[in-house]
Amino acid sequence: QKEVEQNSGPLSVPEGAIASLNCTYSDRVSQSFFWYRQYSGKSPELIMSIYSNGDKEDGRFTAQLNKASQYVSLLIRDSQPSDSATYLCAVIGDSSYKLIFGSGTRLLVRP
Amino acid sequence: DGGITQSPKYLFRKEGQNVTLSCEQNLNHDAMYWYRQDPGQGLRLIYYSQIVNDFQKGDIAEGYSVSREKKESFPLTVTSAQKNPTAFYLCASSIPGPLAGNTIYFGEGSWLTVV
Repeated sequence: QKEVEQNSGPLSVPEGAIASLNCTYSDRVSQSFFWYRQYSGKSPELIMSIYSNGDKEDGRFTAQLNKASQYVSLLIRDSQPSDSATYLCAVIGDSSYKLIFGSGTRLLVRP
Repeated sequence: DGGITQSPKYLFRKEGQNVTLSCEQNLNHDAMYWYRQDPGQGLRLIYYSQIVNDFQKGDIAEGYSVSREKKESFPLTVTSAQKNPTAFYLCASSIPGPLAGNTIYFGEGSWLTVV
């Protein structure tokens, strides 16, 4: 079992819709969770971090964490074509310095 | 500007050659990392360093070496022992601290191609 799992996609949504990206992780002691956006050929950029159960909102983005289910998600409201990218879920694993990445979900927002 | 600078952006390596990728940060971060990304794949950890003069192997350290002689610098050498080095290499840094989240920031990356 992979430590951080994501559906590779592509997830295709129309412009203006809500995009929902999901991630599961295997290490129950994980404490910190991150969503990065990566455009093709570019380095990842941090979108959201979340550490506590529940929702965290930042503009059009909402991160949701459920530690009991070992599940973290990212919602993108009012999706724009510029949101088309690969979204990487990352988790701090058994070491506080080791960030473990999922393989990413490719999002396509259709104009 | 504060940030993480990687060089070169593009590098070609001949079979049997060692090459070194540079990574410099002026964010005053203690921890630095090297990740490798293959097309369509996630990031895999090569090496990381929590403090000057100390570093640990990540998941795919074979065929790579690093040094951390200065806080702001963490160069990665891809040796001839690395049989499939063609990939996108990402350097990152953070202020370590599990309770603070240990948010990691990335440089712009270096593309290495074996010719």
